[in-house]
Amino acid sequence: DAGVIQSPRHEVTEMGQEVTLRCKPISGHNSLFWYRQTMMRGLELLIYFNNNVPIDDSGMPEDRFSAKMPNASFSTLKIQPSEPRDSAVYFCASSLTATYRTEAFFGQGTRLTVV
Amino acid sequence: GESVGLHLPTLSVQEGDNSIINCAYSNSASDYFIWYKQESGKGPQFIIDIRSNMDKRQGQRVTVLLNKTVKHLSLQIAATQPGDSAVYFCGRNTDKLIFGTGTRLQVFP
Repeated sequence: DAGVIQSPRHEVTEMGQEVTLRCKPISGHNSLFWYRQTMMRGLELLIYFNNNVPIDDSGMPEDRFSAKMPNASFSTLKIQPSEPRDSAVYFCASSLTATYRTEAFFGQGTRLTVV
Repeated sequence: GESVGLHLPTLSVQEGDNSIINCAYSNSASDYFIWYKQESGKGPQFIIDIRSNMDKRQGQRVTVLLNKTVKHLSLQIAATQPGDSAVYFCGRNTDKLIFGTGTRLQVFP
């Protein structure tokens, strides 16, 4: 398996533009997580899905952020409109269960820069 | 609160020495405590976990100690190698995984 695949690896966009980050989890995994990483705040859990259903989105910073998982092999994180403070590395991770009794596998991340 | 924090932002050790990375937590309602390693330009990678009813767990060259009395977690790496250079995160989980801010481990020859 190729692991968790995220795209794009790098994204530079202007303030106010819509940004869509994509994730393909490991086949057979039923839980998917979106994290944001910054120097100031570390790794923050934004939202996680179990069997394609959003379970906890309490980490989503505000209404500008939305995430979907239309099927077991694809998820998106959208920011609209984007702001400079959204600049960060966004990670997607997947695991076999929602409760981390097995390890979570992270993608390579998407480095987002909003100018 | 639901915080997991680390005592030191950077730890420098000589190759071959043992490394000890510390972590404090405030919320005891966790089933598991977990350590992850993040190399430059990569996503975090699972190292080892410990169930909250255990005090110690050993893996390959790594040992995790859990002291529930003082709410302290540590990761010990034996015979530290250059490949161990990375940022190490402790985390806890109940229904979701929460990470601390990380400790950067630097290994020098």
